Amino acid sequence: GQQVMQIPQYQHVQEGEDFTTYCNSSTTLSNIQWYKQRPGGHPVFLIQLVKSGEVKKQKRLTFQFGEAKKNSSLHITATQTTDVGTYFCAYGSSNTGKLIFGQGTTLQVKP
Amino acid sequence: NAGVTQTPKFRILKIGQSMTLQCTQDMNHNYMYWYRQDPGMGLKLIYYSVGAGITDKGEVPNGYNVSRSTTEDFPLRLELAAPSQTSVYFCASSFAGTNQPQHFGDGTRLSIL
Repeated sequence: GQQVMQIPQYQHVQEGEDFTTYCNSSTTLSNIQWYKQRPGGHPVFLIQLVKSGEVKKQKRLTFQFGEAKKNSSLHITATQTTDVGTYFCAYGSSNTGKLIFGQGTTLQVKP
Repeated sequence: NAGVTQTPKFRILKIGQSMTLQCTQDMNHNYMYWYRQDPGMGLKLIYYSVGAGITDKGEVPNGYNVSRSTTEDFPLRLELAAPSQTSVYFCASSFAGTNQPQHFGDGTRLSIL
Protein backbone atom coordinates (compact mmCIF):
# COMPACT_ATOMS: atom_id res chain seq x y z
CA GLY A 1 0.00 0.00 0.00
CA GLN A 2 0.90 3.64 -0.06
CA GLN A 3 3.69 4.56 2.31
CA VAL A 4 6.35 7.17 2.87
CA MET A 5 10.06 6.67 3.31
CA GLN A 6 11.95 8.97 5.63
CA ILE A 7 15.67 9.52 5.30
CA PRO A 8 18.01 9.50 7.04
CA GLN A 9 16.99 7.22 9.90
CA TYR A 10 19.54 8.83 12.23
CA GLN A 11 21.57 12.03 12.13
CA HIS A 12 24.22 13.23 14.53
CA VAL A 13 25.24 16.87 14.19
CA GLN A 14 27.37 19.35 16.07
CA GLU A 15 25.41 22.14 17.67
CA GLY A 16 25.14 24.99 15.19
CA GLU A 17 25.15 22.77 12.11
CA ASP A 18 22.12 22.49 9.86
CA PHE A 19 19.91 19.41 9.59
CA THR A 20 17.49 18.15 6.95
CA THR A 21 15.15 15.19 6.90
CA TYR A 22 13.28 14.02 3.82
CA CYS A 23 9.96 12.28 3.36
CA ASN A 24 9.37 10.56 0.01
CA SER A 25 6.29 8.90 -1.44
CA SER A 26 5.76 6.93 -4.63
CA THR A 27 2.28 8.41 -5.00
CA THR A 28 0.77 11.88 -4.76
CA LEU A 29 -0.15 12.95 -1.24
CA SER A 30 -3.15 15.09 -0.38
CA ASN A 31 -1.33 16.63 2.56
CA ILE A 32 1.63 16.05 4.83
CA GLN A 33 2.05 16.70 8.53
CA TRP A 34 5.22 16.89 10.61
CA TYR A 35 5.54 15.86 14.24
CA LYS A 36 8.35 16.00 16.79
CA GLN A 37 8.82 13.48 19.57
CA ARG A 38 11.28 14.27 22.34
CA PRO A 39 13.01 11.28 23.98
CA GLY A 40 10.52 9.63 26.34
CA GLY A 41 7.74 11.93 25.18
CA HIS A 42 4.79 11.85 22.84
CA PRO A 43 4.54 13.16 19.27
CA VAL A 44 3.69 16.83 19.03
CA PHE A 45 2.22 18.37 15.89
CA LEU A 46 4.49 20.89 14.18
CA ILE A 47 2.86 21.82 10.88
CA GLN A 48 0.71 20.74 7.95
CA LEU A 49 1.40 21.33 4.26
CA VAL A 50 -1.34 20.95 1.65
CA LYS A 51 -0.37 22.96 -1.44
CA SER A 52 2.04 22.00 -4.20
CA GLY A 53 5.39 23.75 -3.66
CA GLU A 54 4.32 25.11 -0.29
CA VAL A 55 7.02 26.46 2.04
CA LYS A 56 6.37 27.31 5.68
CA LYS A 57 8.74 28.56 8.34
CA GLN A 58 8.71 28.34 12.11
CA LYS A 59 11.71 30.22 13.49
CA ARG A 60 14.70 28.01 12.55
CA LEU A 61 12.52 25.30 10.97
CA THR A 62 11.62 25.35 7.27
CA PHE A 63 9.10 22.92 5.83
CA GLN A 64 8.62 22.24 2.12
CA PHE A 65 6.11 20.28 0.07
CA GLY A 66 7.31 19.23 -3.37
CA GLU A 67 5.78 20.49 -6.58
CA ALA A 68 4.47 17.02 -7.39
CA LYS A 69 3.26 16.55 -3.80
CA LYS A 70 5.28 13.35 -3.53
CA ASN A 71 7.98 14.55 -1.18
CA SER A 72 8.53 16.89 1.71
CA SER A 73 11.44 18.12 3.77
CA LEU A 74 12.14 19.64 7.16
CA HIS A 75 15.24 21.78 7.48
CA ILE A 76 16.60 23.09 10.77
CA THR A 77 19.08 25.94 10.62
CA ALA A 78 21.79 26.16 13.28
CA THR A 79 20.65 23.25 15.44
CA GLN A 80 20.41 23.57 19.20
CA THR A 81 20.35 20.87 21.85
CA THR A 82 16.63 21.54 22.26
CA ASP A 83 16.12 20.19 18.72
CA VAL A 84 17.01 16.66 19.85
CA GLY A 85 14.26 14.15 19.14
CA THR A 86 12.61 12.15 16.41
CA TYR A 87 10.87 13.93 13.55
CA PHE A 88 8.02 12.14 11.81
CA CYS A 89 6.20 12.95 8.64
CA ALA A 90 2.66 11.67 8.27
CA TYR A 91 0.19 11.68 5.44
CA GLY A 92 -3.55 11.37 5.41
CA SER A 93 -5.55 8.62 3.81
CA SER A 94 -8.42 10.95 3.04
CA ASN A 95 -10.99 8.30 2.29
CA THR A 96 -10.44 6.43 5.55
CA GLY A 97 -9.55 9.06 8.14
CA LYS A 98 -6.24 7.35 8.88
CA LEU A 99 -2.93 9.14 9.29
CA ILE A 100 0.07 7.04 8.27
CA PHE A 101 3.41 7.87 9.87
CA GLY A 102 6.85 7.51 8.38
CA GLN A 103 9.57 5.71 10.33
CA GLY A 104 11.03 8.97 11.61
CA THR A 105 14.45 10.60 11.66
CA THR A 106 16.20 10.71 15.01
CA LEU A 107 18.36 13.79 15.53
CA GLN A 108 21.16 13.91 18.05
CA VAL A 109 22.91 17.25 18.67
CA LYS A 110 26.34 17.35 20.27
CA PRO A 111 26.96 20.49 22.34
CA ASN B 1 -8.11 21.65 29.24
CA ALA B 2 -6.46 18.35 30.01
CA GLY B 3 -6.33 17.33 26.34
CA VAL B 4 -5.85 13.57 25.87
CA THR B 5 -5.43 11.60 29.08
CA GLN B 6 -4.16 8.03 29.17
CA THR B 7 -4.13 5.66 32.11
CA PRO B 8 -2.19 3.86 33.39
CA LYS B 9 1.22 5.35 32.55
CA PHE B 10 3.06 2.10 33.22
CA ARG B 11 1.97 -1.51 33.54
CA ILE B 12 3.54 -4.93 33.73
CA LEU B 13 1.42 -7.88 32.70
CA LYS B 14 1.97 -11.60 32.75
CA ILE B 15 1.52 -13.61 29.57
CA GLY B 16 -2.13 -14.48 29.10
CA GLN B 17 -3.50 -11.69 31.29
CA SER B 18 -5.92 -9.10 29.95
CA MET B 19 -6.20 -5.39 30.56
CA THR B 20 -7.82 -2.23 29.30
CA LEU B 21 -5.87 0.90 28.44
CA GLN B 22 -7.97 3.96 29.08
CA CYS B 23 -8.07 7.08 26.88
CA THR B 24 -10.25 10.12 27.32
CA GLN B 25 -10.24 13.53 25.63
CA ASP B 26 -12.02 16.73 26.61
CA MET B 27 -11.67 18.61 23.30
CA ASN B 28 -14.91 17.27 21.76
CA HIS B 29 -12.88 15.64 19.00
CA ASN B 30 -14.68 13.23 16.70
CA TYR B 31 -11.68 11.19 15.63
CA MET B 32 -9.66 9.04 18.01
CA TYR B 33 -6.75 6.71 17.38
CA TRP B 34 -4.65 4.07 19.08
CA TYR B 35 -1.02 3.59 18.06
CA ARG B 36 1.77 1.39 19.30
CA GLN B 37 5.41 2.37 19.13
CA ASP B 38 8.12 -0.26 19.52
CA PRO B 39 11.59 0.88 20.63
CA GLY B 40 13.30 2.99 17.97
CA MET B 41 10.41 2.56 15.58
CA GLY B 42 7.60 4.63 14.16
CA LEU B 43 3.94 4.61 15.04
CA LYS B 44 1.71 1.76 13.96
CA LEU B 45 -2.05 2.36 13.89
CA ILE B 46 -3.99 -0.28 15.82
CA TYR B 47 -7.59 0.97 15.68
CA TYR B 48 -9.33 4.25 15.06
CA SER B 49 -12.76 5.77 15.39
CA VAL B 50 -14.43 8.54 13.43
CA GLY B 51 -17.20 9.04 15.98
CA ALA B 52 -19.15 7.42 18.80
CA GLY B 53 -20.29 3.94 17.85
CA ILE B 54 -17.91 3.67 14.89
CA THR B 55 -14.55 1.89 14.95
CA ASP B 56 -12.26 0.47 12.31
CA LYS B 57 -9.05 -1.52 12.10
CA GLY B 58 -5.67 0.00 11.46
CA GLU B 59 -2.43 -1.67 10.40
CA VAL B 60 -1.93 -3.98 13.42
CA PRO B 61 -5.31 -4.81 15.04
CA ASN B 62 -4.70 -8.46 15.94
CA GLY B 63 -4.82 -9.12 19.68
CA TYR B 64 -6.69 -5.89 20.45
CA ASN B 65 -10.26 -4.67 20.69
CA VAL B 66 -11.79 -1.22 21.03
CA SER B 67 -15.13 0.39 21.71
CA ARG B 68 -16.39 3.96 21.38
CA SER B 69 -19.58 4.42 23.36
CA THR B 70 -19.03 8.15 23.97
CA THR B 71 -17.23 10.96 22.15
CA GLU B 72 -14.80 11.34 25.04
CA ASP B 73 -13.63 7.78 25.67
CA PHE B 74 -11.83 5.24 23.50
CA PRO B 75 -10.54 2.30 25.57
CA LEU B 76 -8.19 -0.32 24.10
CA ARG B 77 -8.56 -3.89 25.32
CA LEU B 78 -5.74 -6.44 25.26
CA GLU B 79 -6.93 -10.02 25.47
CA LEU B 80 -4.46 -12.81 26.29
CA ALA B 81 -1.37 -10.61 26.50
CA ALA B 82 1.69 -11.81 24.58
CA PRO B 83 5.36 -10.67 24.79
CA SER B 84 5.02 -9.22 21.26
CA GLN B 85 2.59 -6.66 22.69
CA THR B 86 5.30 -5.10 24.83
CA SER B 87 5.33 -1.55 23.55
CA VAL B 88 4.40 2.06 24.23
CA TYR B 89 0.77 2.76 23.41
CA PHE B 90 -0.37 6.22 22.39
CA CYS B 91 -3.91 7.48 22.11
CA ALA B 92 -4.56 10.48 19.89
CA SER B 93 -7.51 12.57 18.83
CA SER B 94 -8.34 15.11 16.15
CA PHE B 95 -11.32 17.33 15.50
CA ALA B 96 -11.93 15.96 12.03
CA GLY B 97 -9.99 13.69 9.72
CA THR B 98 -6.52 13.74 8.32
CA ASN B 99 -6.50 17.46 7.57
CA GLN B 100 -6.43 18.25 11.25
CA PRO B 101 -3.52 17.89 13.68
CA GLN B 102 -3.57 14.93 16.03
CA HIS B 103 -3.20 15.52 19.75
CA PHE B 104 -1.45 12.74 21.62
CA GLY B 105 -1.64 11.52 25.18
CA ASP B 106 1.50 10.85 27.22
CA GLY B 107 1.40 7.13 26.45
CA THR B 108 1.16 3.88 28.37
CA ARG B 109 4.37 1.86 28.71
CA LEU B 110 3.36 -1.78 28.77
CA SER B 111 5.61 -4.77 29.42
CA ILE B 112 4.45 -8.36 29.03
CA LEU B 113 6.58 -10.86 30.94
